[in-house]
Amino acid sequence: AQSVTQLGSHVSVSEGALVLLRCNYSSSVPPYLFWYVQYPNQGLQLLLKYTTGATLVKGINGFEAEFKKSETSFHLTKPSAHMSDAAEYFCAVRVNNDMRFGAGTRLTVKP
Amino acid sequence: EPEVTQTPSHQVTQMGQEVILRCVPISNHLYFYWYRQILGQKVEFLVSFYNNEISEKSEIFDDQFSVERPDGSNFTLKIRSTKLEDSAMYFCASSPGQNYGYTFGSGTRLTVV
Repeated sequence: AQSVTQLGSHVSVSEGALVLLRCNYSSSVPPYLFWYVQYPNQGLQLLLKYTTGATLVKGINGFEAEFKKSETSFHLTKPSAHMSDAAEYFCAVRVNNDMRFGAGTRLTVKP
Repeated sequence: EPEVTQTPSHQVTQMGQEVILRCVPISNHLYFYWYRQILGQKVEFLVSFYNNEISEKSEIFDDQFSVERPDGSNFTLKIRSTKLEDSAMYFCASSPGQNYGYTFGSGTRLTVV
């Protein structure tokens, strides 16, 4: 079965700094890849997804991610962090009708 | 924007009691899911449901759990005899098809005492 590894359970950046959240996946077939964000006491909100086509995908709130098959990675980036980006971020991989999540990365943004 | 609705937002139950968590998926979606998240831990897959039957379930989804789509709009998760370790946030999700992401509800926090 497919799986996801998120490197770093906690990432801290200063406001205005680059955000980089790492995700590596394992799948025996071409996967669909997703990033979700969870704000405190809320559900999961889709940030962006990769299914086919362009490997650099743009999402909401200025986030983007690049699918790199050779590295089995789907890292999430944002050029300039904002205080409102503080949340838990989950990478997920979907094969057919089965989506599995990584353990999550908590992003803290310092003023 | 269409939403997945879950009720109640918080439920407290005594150990051994049955609970039913309710979800109203987005109306034109065909695939339905339940996930759970124990406090501070990862989001775990429980079950997927398509064409009025379970299509996949995890090892967590044992005989204590069941799902139903009783009336074409609601999608329920029943836990027959709750245990303390069932305390978690339970998320319902739906999807229109396999090329799409899931839309999640805001969750039901289940506390078993």
